[in-house]
Amino acid sequence: DAGVIQSPRHEVTEMGQEVTLRCKPISGHDYLFWYRQTMMRGLELLIYFNNNVPIDDSGMPEDRFSAKMPNASFSTLKIQPSEPRDSAVYFCASSSRGTAYSNQPQHFGDGTRLSIL
Amino acid sequence: EDQVTQSPEALRLQEGESSSLNCSYTVSGLRGLFWYRQDPGKGPEFLFTLYSAGEEKEKERLKATLTKKESFLHITAPKPEDSATYLCADSGAGSYQLTFGKGTKLSVIP
Repeated sequence: DAGVIQSPRHEVTEMGQEVTLRCKPISGHDYLFWYRQTMMRGLELLIYFNNNVPIDDSGMPEDRFSAKMPNASFSTLKIQPSEPRDSAVYFCASSSRGTAYSNQPQHFGDGTRLSIL
Repeated sequence: EDQVTQSPEALRLQEGESSSLNCSYTVSGLRGLFWYRQDPGKGPEFLFTLYSAGEEKEKERLKATLTKKESFLHITAPKPEDSATYLCADSGAGSYQLTFGKGTKLSVIP
C-alpha cells in the first residue's frame, strides 16, 4: 500500500507569496491531520479532518493559514501571505477510525520543508 | 493541559550497550500511547501503540512498556542503524489528537 504522499518535498519562496502544500492520505483512512515541526516547539497539530470535515483548527496559528479537504484523497494547507517565521517542516498524517476507547496510530508522510526568505 | 515529557533529550550508546528511553504523560482517559521513530529528512515512522498499564510490545531490539503515567522504550543490544530520534505521543479522552514529546535523539556508535 502507498503511504501518505506529500508535495512538494521542498519549497523556497519569498515573504508575502502564497504557499500551497498538498497531501494524499492512505486510502480508506477517515482522519487527516496537518502538523508543523520546528526545533523549538517540536511537532504541533495545526488542524484535523474527519471524513473531509474540519473538526479542530485551534492549532492554526493565524488567519493566514487555511486548510481544505475537497475529497477523501486530497487535502491542501495554504499560507497567504507567507512570513519568514512560517519556515518549518509541515507533515500530513492519516489514520483509520478507532473504537470508542482507543485510537488507531497516525501514519505520516515525509513532509514539506518550507523556507520563507 | 496535556503534557508529554521525554528524557533524556539525547543519548549516546556504544553498539551492544542496552538502555531505556522515558516518556511521561499527564493525559486523562488514555486512548493510546504511541512510539515513533524519525530519521533525518523523513516523517515519523510508527513503531508501537500501548493502551493500558502493564501492556508490552516488542519488535526486534525494541520493547515498549506502559505504566499509569510513564512509558519506556527499551533498546537491547542496539546497532548503529537504530540511531534516530524516538518520539512518543499520547491521546486522551474524547480526542483523536496526538500530543507529542520533544523526542530523544539516539546515537549508537560502532
